[in-house]
Amino acid sequence: TQLLEQSPQFLSIQEGENLTVYCNSSSVFSSLQWYRQEPGEGPVLLVTVVTGGEVKKLKRLTFQFGDARKDSSLHITAAQPGDTGLYLCAGSGFQKLVFGTGTRLLVSP
Amino acid sequence: GAGVSQSPSNKVTEKGKDVELRCDPISGHTALYWYRQSLGQGLEFLIYFQGNSAPDKSGLPSDRFSAERTGGSVSTLTIQRTQQEDSAVYLCASSLVGGRATGELFFGEGSRLTVL
Repeated sequence: TQLLEQSPQFLSIQEGENLTVYCNSSSVFSSLQWYRQEPGEGPVLLVTVVTGGEVKKLKRLTFQFGDARKDSSLHITAAQPGDTGLYLCAGSGFQKLVFGTGTRLLVSP
Repeated sequence: GAGVSQSPSNKVTEKGKDVELRCDPISGHTALYWYRQSLGQGLEFLIYFQGNSAPDKSGLPSDRFSAERTGGSVSTLTIQRTQQEDSAVYLCASSLVGGRATGELFFGEGSRLTVL
């Protein structure tokens, strides 16, 4: 079974703080995607990382794919209330996309 | 719009009744997924369709759950003899490419099922 464990499960912070979300697995993935889901909506893709060690930036969000392509991290700088949501990693390389357990982020003003 | 469309958006039913949830994927997308999401939780994989291949049903929780995809397009998820633990949001997603090279998944807004 390919499992993607995310940590922390829940994070409540103040506006302006930095945070990191981790996505870990014992399996190797050909690529890894990060999604954000807001209440009442489906998840929306933020980024896809493909190469081991790859770093991608999306404004205040920095995504990194581990060298061995088994793990990934999402770092948010100076979090804002608009960053609130459920963050999901998802690994590709098997017959179906495998989703992580999710990290719920709450950013308070 | 040209996104993934799901219906109904909300369904309240009585325990023991059957329900059908519909998903209309983006035209041309070969891969279609169904997921279940309980309140505030992550996505639980249910079933995956890829082109004309036999679906991957490994995530269906019991034989009360079934799904079909007609003509490689619209999919219907059927839950027979619903139970209260079936209450959740059922999300459908489609992708242009599936399998080992799965690309971006485009999700519908989900069907919220409440079993009384």
